[in-house]
Order: sequence, then C-alpha cells, then structure tokens
Amino acid sequence: AQSVTQPDIHITVSEGASLELRCNYSYGATPYLFWYVQSPGQGLQLLLKYFSGDTLVQGIKGFEAEFKRSQSSFNLRKPSVHWSDAAEYFCAVGAPNDYKLSFGAGTTVTVRA
Amino acid sequence: EAQVTQNPRYLITVTGKKLTVTCSQNMNHEYMSWYRQDPGLGLRQIYYSMNVEVTDKGDVPEGYKVSRKEKRNFPLILESPSPNQTSLYFCASSSRTAPSYEQYFGPGTRLTVT
Repeated sequence: AQSVTQPDIHITVSEGASLELRCNYSYGATPYLFWYVQSPGQGLQLLLKYFSGDTLVQGIKGFEAEFKRSQSSFNLRKPSVHWSDAAEYFCAVGAPNDYKLSFGAGTTVTVRA
Repeated sequence: EAQVTQNPRYLITVTGKKLTVTCSQNMNHEYMSWYRQDPGLGLRQIYYSMNVEVTDKGDVPEGYKVSRKEKRNFPLILESPSPNQTSLYFCASSSRTAPSYEQYFGPGTRLTVT
C-alpha cells in the first residue's frame, strides 16, 4: 500500500521569498503524485500532478514540483510567494489503475508581510 | 459549471440521530469517493464507488454507509453518529476514461456530533 509523509507541519515564509514543501512517498513502483491546496474554508484544488515523463512538473499559480525517484520525493516549490498562497498543502500518491489516493497530513503555510 | 456539490455545508447534531450528507456531481464521472479530514491526519478515505451499485470500503469505513443508485449522487449516511465522527467531510469524483486520475472535490461538510 502506498503512503505519504509531509515532514513539515507548518512553514512561515515572507512575502516574495521562495517556498519549498517536502513530500516523501512510499510505493513499490512509479506512483501517480499530486499536490493539492486548500485555502481556508475551501475545498481542495489540484495544483499539479505527475504520472510519467519529465520529472519537473509545472502547475497552476506559479507552482512546480520535481519527482526524484532515488529519493522517493515530490517536493513543491514556488520562487516568490504571495500573501494569497497562505493555505494548507497536501501531497497525495496514487497507483496506476487504482483510484485510491493516499494523502499526507498536510503542511500549513503562513505568509508574513 | 462542472462541480461537486455537498449538502449541508455545516451540521450540528446529537449522538445517535441518523443523518445523511448528500453529494452530487454534474460531470458524468464514474468514480466517487468520501473522505474525512482531521487535524494532523490529512484526508482519509471512507468509502468509494467505481460505478452505479458498486461501492467498497476505504481506510476508515466504520460507522458509515453509502449508496450509489444513480451515477451523479453518492450520499454518505451516518446511522448512529458518535462524537468521534466530528470532522470535515469531502466528496470527490473522477472519470475512469480520463488519463489524469484527477479527483474533483466538493466544498466540504463540517459535521459536529455532540
């Protein structure tokens, strides 16, 4: 069974600074990987996904993530954060031909002025 | 507009009083799922459905029931709610024909059981 670890529970970053959120997964083969964002009081919105091919994936809102098979990681990055990026971010892993998604515990991002 | 809707958005109830949270999607998706979100635990899958009349347990099914009589609807039933079911619940849907396996989430239902 697959699983996901997000080591950072809470990150505080200054507006305009770069952001990196860590995600480590456990799965026996090449997984499907996702990053979702949840703004306060909202549902989950897909930021980006990886299935195969180029290991650097571009998403919405200026986010990108890099799949590193050797490290079992799929870290999310943004070069310059905006106050509107304050939210909770979830990494999720899925298996091919299986719709089950396993989510990490989430990382809360606070953006200070 | 393509969307997943849930009702109610907020619900406060008492222990043992049966309740149903509705979920509906207008994207003709085959796959639907229910998750609960608790602080520090992320989202955990309760039940899922691959198509009409096909449902299966997720990771935390105890205390919940579901049904899938129509493709667009996937209600979550708590026949005898208990305080440990106080949580934020999300419904999601996805298309089996899409290569992306992207799940679309509803806005959430915050349930409090006293």
